[in-house]
Parts: sequence; C-alpha cells; structure tokens
Amino acid sequence: DTGVSQDPRHKITKRGQNVTFRCDPISEHNRLYWYRQTLGQGPEFLTYFQNEAQLEKSRLLSDRFSAERPKGSFSTLEIQRTEQGDSAMYLCASSPGVGAGGAEQYFGPGTRLTVT
Amino acid sequence: RKEVEQDPGPFNVPEGATVAFNCTYSNSASQSFFWYRQDCRKEPKLLMSVYSSGNEDGRFTAQLNRASQYISLLIRDSKLSDSATYLCVVNEYTGNQFYFGTGTSLTVIP
Repeated sequence: DTGVSQDPRHKITKRGQNVTFRCDPISEHNRLYWYRQTLGQGPEFLTYFQNEAQLEKSRLLSDRFSAERPKGSFSTLEIQRTEQGDSAMYLCASSPGVGAGGAEQYFGPGTRLTVT
Repeated sequence: RKEVEQDPGPFNVPEGATVAFNCTYSNSASQSFFWYRQDCRKEPKLLMSVYSSGNEDGRFTAQLNRASQYISLLIRDSKLSDSATYLCVVNEYTGNQFYFGTGTSLTVIP
C-alpha cells in the first residue's frame, strides 16, 4: 500500500498523559499536513510541513501540541498533558507540492484519540 | 465569519436524481478549490479539484464563481454509493492553510 499511513489507529489515554502519533506520507510528497476532526465538523488545520520545515501553525494549536518531520519523511504529532477536549480524530495528509495537482491532498486513515 | 460555509443538509434524494451543493468562501484571494467525499468514520477522499473554467468527471460537475465567491458540485443520476458527506475545501495559497467546510450530508434512497 503506497498511501498515507498513520499509527496508531486508536488511542485511549487518561487526562494528563502525553501521546504521540505518527504519519508516513506518500513517499514522493514533500508537503505534509495535520488536521483534527470532531463529530459533525470538517477537518480543522493544525500545521503544515514543506519537507522538514514547519511552515505554518494554526492559531488554535496550543503550546501542548508539537509536531516534527525530522528528515522530511514521516512526521510525529505529540500532545502533552492531554485534556478531554483533545478527544478527536487526528488526520494526516500529504500532497506533491509541485506540478499539476500539487495542492491535492491525500489523507491517511486517522488516529482516533479518546481522553478519559 | 467562517472561511468556508456549506449547507449541512441532510439531502435525501431518490436514485437517479440530480443534486447540487453550493459552498461559499470568504477570502477573495483564495487560489485552489476542491471537493472531497467522506464516508462515515473514514478519512476524506479527493473527489475533484475545481478549475476556473469548471470541470466534469463522469456524473460529477464542479463550477467556480469567483465574483460571487462560491463553488458548486452537481451530481447527476445519483447512485446509492454516492451517499456520503461532501466537503468543500479552499486554499489560500499565501498561507497554505486549507479550510474545510463542515460538509453536506447526502443520502441516496432506493
């Protein structure tokens, strides 16, 4: 399967714990995005990487959230001191970044986080 | 004001019907436009990009109206398998943020 993959698919954690999610984009894509989606809403932009550089972060992203893409390939999203309001589906997407269709994003299956 | 607004529906239509969704966006500088489809508890999947001249892919037609700042999606000859949530997506190139609408729910009834 050469699509976007995410791990884990589900995560249940207690309030106050730290969690880390991983995303592996489509291999030739240089752009990678993280989104959060709650029930009945569209995906909400969190942050974006061009290769290893984090170029954009949502104003909604608190300092408890951090993301990395150290070698311009896979990315991790960490949430520290989780809160019940962090419960959501966390989606990763990648896009080629160049050429026709460069902005077209392809999503992974998501990581569903439940904070108890 | 939200960057992208869609009528959440639900739209319930019989098989074979034609259905149209509209989506409005607030930033006149927006550069790229897309329709995504999302099935229940699944990830969004790209349905089609929306080009300035409009574009068609089989039973699906997308249009862009920059003057009025809306995009539309027309589905002809609806199939049961078209039942899903349709998300409108707008990209402001300078910021590279992508803004998703809340989605429009479609159910095609036998």
